Amino acid sequence: ETGVTQTPRHLVMGMTNKKSLKCEQHLGHNAMYWYKQSAKKPLELMFVYSLEERVENNSVPSRFSPECPNSSHLFLHLHTLQPEDSALYLCASSQVLRDRAHEQYFGPGTRLTVT
Amino acid sequence: KNQVEQSPQSLIILEGKNCTLQCNYTVSPFSNLRWYKQDTGRGPVSLTIMTFSENTKSNGRYTATLDADTKQSSLHITASQLSDSASYICVVSPGAGNKLTFGGGTRVLVKP
Repeated sequence: ETGVTQTPRHLVMGMTNKKSLKCEQHLGHNAMYWYKQSAKKPLELMFVYSLEERVENNSVPSRFSPECPNSSHLFLHLHTLQPEDSALYLCASSQVLRDRAHEQYFGPGTRLTVT
Repeated sequence: KNQVEQSPQSLIILEGKNCTLQCNYTVSPFSNLRWYKQDTGRGPVSLTIMTFSENTKSNGRYTATLDADTKQSSLHITASQLSDSASYICVVSPGAGNKLTFGGGTRVLVKP
């Protein structure tokens, strides 16, 4: 396991539910990321937080809402999801120096199923 | 458009045999290329990272090569073990900024 933890590991939710995914990094990094991994598709970057500010939002639907209260914690709030949102959601962290990102360390992911 | 293409999409090999995975990229500018191993249901774990000046790097039974001129990389697995069954993902970084370009991965299944 890496120094990035994610909870829950598995989540099943209905389309009308509201849930949150949590990510915590213990590596002292200053940037955190949310990725979506669907079957047979490359990882898709959703959000990037650097120094606790959101620096990237890759045209993600508003039913996904990120929150980064501090450099160690990252949340992804979910509401009124669609079945096509079922996927593995991966959190990652890295150290960013002088606008250059070093290696990203990934958490184990949350397997989300929307029914 | 920055792209990373991996081949094959999947392969099956017998335990103890060798195999080579391919990665072609069109990312520019280029800073480094990484190979990740992702076990089923888990997050990717870094195997190797190479800058444009490095053309080979090893990590145990894994050896990665890089040809920055042709924009190609390969990952060679020697004497495969059952634990090598996983997806192998090629990732290219442009350097500045946080945005990596991911390949679709090669799913490797090692059979006894």
